[in-house]
Amino acid sequence: AQTVTQSQPEMSVQEAETVTLSCTYDTSESDYYLFWYKQPPSRQMILVIRQEAYKQQNATENRFSVNFQKAAKSFSLKISDSQLGDAAMYFCAYLYNNNDMRFGAGTRLTVKP
Amino acid sequence: DAGVIQSPRHEVTEMGQEVTLRCKPISGHNSLFWYRQTMMRGLELLIYFNNNVPIDDSGMPEDRFSAKMPNASFSTLKIQPSEPRDSAVYFCASSQRKQGYTFGSGTRLTVV
Repeated sequence: AQTVTQSQPEMSVQEAETVTLSCTYDTSESDYYLFWYKQPPSRQMILVIRQEAYKQQNATENRFSVNFQKAAKSFSLKISDSQLGDAAMYFCAYLYNNNDMRFGAGTRLTVKP
Repeated sequence: DAGVIQSPRHEVTEMGQEVTLRCKPISGHNSLFWYRQTMMRGLELLIYFNNNVPIDDSGMPEDRFSAKMPNASFSTLKIQPSEPRDSAVYFCASSQRKQGYTFGSGTRLTVV
């Protein structure tokens, strides 16, 4: 069974600094998709970044980038130049087919001014 | 596009009452998902539909929960009778192929 593990329940970063959130997953598949979602206090689930497993190049979206290590089954999220608005719960997710996205337990990110 | 629309945003009901949560997916998305989020269990998939057809409802807690999707633009999740342990945030999400899920704003349900 596919599982997603986020080993950091909480993380903290100083405003304007860089922080990395960890995620590992377990799968026997070779073609799948990985996502990071952000859930601010408003509780809206917002897609931050998406990575196809068949692509070696790490995905980047403005200040957000990933370090995708397929062999190690690792998918970390790097947030550069952290802003107060980045404070939220961050969920890593794995999708093999279109029918069952698995989520990690989440990492609560605090941004200190 | 207005995104995935859920209603109501908040619902407070008494134990034993029927609760109906509503969802309008994004037009053109052929898959719809209902999730429940609690502190203890995180995000749990309850049921999903492909092309309006329920595919897997193994996540539905018990017979008190039911979901329907009468057409491509509307789905409901019903709890009858409701119990305090059903209190949670319920999310609806839709997707097209493997682009990732787009979530609604969720319904916070409180059963007293």
